[in-house]
Amino acid sequence: DAMVIQNPRYQVTQFGKPVTLSCSQTLNHNVMYWYQQKSSQAPKLLFHYYDKDFNNEADTPDNFQSRRPNTSFCFLDIRSPGLGDAAMYLCATSRDFQGMNEQFFGPGTRLTVL
Amino acid sequence: AQSVTQLDSQVPVFEEAPVELRCNYSSSVSVYLFWYVQYPNQGLQLLLKYLSGSTLVKGINGFEAEFNKSQTSFHLRKPSVHISDTAEYFCAVSDPSGGFKTIFGAGTRLFVKA
Repeated sequence: DAMVIQNPRYQVTQFGKPVTLSCSQTLNHNVMYWYQQKSSQAPKLLFHYYDKDFNNEADTPDNFQSRRPNTSFCFLDIRSPGLGDAAMYLCATSRDFQGMNEQFFGPGTRLTVL
Repeated sequence: AQSVTQLDSQVPVFEEAPVELRCNYSSSVSVYLFWYVQYPNQGLQLLLKYLSGSTLVKGINGFEAEFNKSQTSFHLRKPSVHISDTAEYFCAVSDPSGGFKTIFGAGTRLFVKA
């Protein structure tokens, strides 16, 4: 089955220690998104890639970076995690950025910051 | 800017009872509308979407939603819920005037009781 895979499912890091979250897709979609979701809140878009074009949301902190080395993979780097960065991180894909295309989500990575 | 309001943060309901989860959006221009479901510790999954045409949209797991342009609403309904429907439900809107960015509501937690 075509799908969106996130690794690891659970990640524990220490305050200030860089961490990388991974996402891969077998859907061959053009767009990949990273969302941050805190408890009982809506997913908050951090950034997205349309193919190789990176699009950052205006309110995404500089502490968050992303890489998309090829169509299938996308990484979220948190350079110096703070306690407030503890959250579920969701990766999603869509065929195109036009709004009629639904997004396909991975299972998420739950990040704990000690 | 587009906004999405889910009027109920939590909806408790008994098994086999009907349920309606309410969603209102702010813009009256043509938009695309979605409902996603999120089970505990999982990513979001598309339930249904409205792009155009018939205002009554049927989705997976027996859910349906009705688009009401005059009331800018897109309420989700199910005539008889199961325990397994316990989850968080997110309404989302994609607005062409906002560059087709998808805006999520804050979510409604449906709790089905035996």
